[in-house]
Amino acid sequence: AQSVSQHNHHVILSEAASLELGCNYSYGGTVNLFWYVQYPGQHLQLLLKYFSGDPLVKGIKGFEAEFIKSKFSFNLRKPSVQWSDTAEYFCAVNLRDSGNTPLVFGKGTRLSVIA
Amino acid sequence: DSGVTQTPKHLITATGQRVTLRCSPRSGDLSVYWYQQSLDQGLQFLIHYYNGEERAKGNILERFSAQQFPDLHSELNLSSLELGDSALYFCASSSGQVHTEAFFGQGTRLTVV
Repeated sequence: AQSVSQHNHHVILSEAASLELGCNYSYGGTVNLFWYVQYPGQHLQLLLKYFSGDPLVKGIKGFEAEFIKSKFSFNLRKPSVQWSDTAEYFCAVNLRDSGNTPLVFGKGTRLSVIA
Repeated sequence: DSGVTQTPKHLITATGQRVTLRCSPRSGDLSVYWYQQSLDQGLQFLIHYYNGEERAKGNILERFSAQQFPDLHSELNLSSLELGDSALYFCASSSGQVHTEAFFGQGTRLTVV
């Protein structure tokens, strides 16, 4: 079955610490990969996306992610987090070849950044 | 602002009742997706419509139904509500092309009492 796994349920970091959130997927075809962020009380917003090409993708607010096909992974990174990065982060995948297939989400990782 | 509009923002209703959630997609988007977000299940895909036609079903209960109208807005109908249906319901839209992302609305928080 198609699935997305996010390894960390809750991550607590101090400001300026580096961040890496893991995401692995289990899919039988070619995929599109996404990271969404949900700030407290708000809707999901797209951080970055990967469709094809350079596996290192840069998104908004200093986030980046690397697609490693051999590991079925798409980990999210940020060199130095800020208090305002406190949010829930969701990895999502859909099948590229089938057009606009629904996104399948991981369970999310809650990031708490403390001063 | 994502351009996806959901109404109402909050809904409190009693068990056994029926409610309708409404979603207006971004201008020009043909695809509408409905998701349920709960603490224990995370974000669960419910149903997908493309240009008025149902395209995919996910973990949607038989008590739930949806439709997409000719003007492309969509409604999610939840009936015989149970306490466990309390959740945040998100609508997302996309253009329907291969290399596009989905844009999410603010969600409707449903509380069943």
